[in-house]
Amino acid sequence: EVQLVQSGPEVKKPGESLKISCKASGYTFTTYWIGWVRQMPGKGLEWMAIISPVDSDTRYSPSFQGQVTVSADKSTRTAYLEWNSLKTSDSAFYFCARHGETLFDHWGHGTLVTVSS
Amino acid sequence: QSVLTQPPSVSGAPGQRVTISCTGSSSNIGAGYDVHWYQQLSGTAPKLLISRNTNRPSGVPDRFSGSKSGASASLVITGLQAEDEADYYCQSYDSSLRGSYVFGTGTKVTVL
Repeated sequence: EVQLVQSGPEVKKPGESLKISCKASGYTFTTYWIGWVRQMPGKGLEWMAIISPVDSDTRYSPSFQGQVTVSADKSTRTAYLEWNSLKTSDSAFYFCARHGETLFDHWGHGTLVTVSS
Repeated sequence: QSVLTQPPSVSGAPGQRVTISCTGSSSNIGAGYDVHWYQQLSGTAPKLLISRNTNRPSGVPDRFSGSKSGASASLVITGLQAEDEADYYCQSYDSSLRGSYVFGTGTKVTVL
């Protein structure tokens, strides 16, 4: 069974750094890219980035380029989403999802990030 | 700001048929890129509902169906059930945004 298990909720202050994770199991990790999707409170889904676990090739949405960094460690089957300096506007749910061709076929349960002073 | 437009809400009584539209443009759906649909039940992660315009992944009831024509796509739920109350999103690829994956604005389905 394909599973993507995300790290737990985070509460941070503006300006702090953060790295959240997404651990994959149940399939060959290097066969599929991993995507990240943001959902702000009460809002829709926004694609952020995708990463290849094979060579860490990444593609970012223009809206998120330079704002976040995605990475992956194939030895631990884990993908990461990272911020260097959080803003209050980064408060949202963040989902990882397995990316095949142009779709996202399996999703993590989401990580809630709250940024507040 | 999403480039795929959906109606904010649709509703229907149990057993009825509802249709959700997803309107794109010549750089995404109209360019021939596939449309996928996701269902998000309240408080949960999205789930792939329809892949590649018309295909139902294993386990998805056959009351859900998808279609695509020109620069638009549609999701139809026939025989609406209470458990279908959720948010629905279309998704495609857009070649004009330096190659971006795009989601629709989302549609809330309410079962009356």
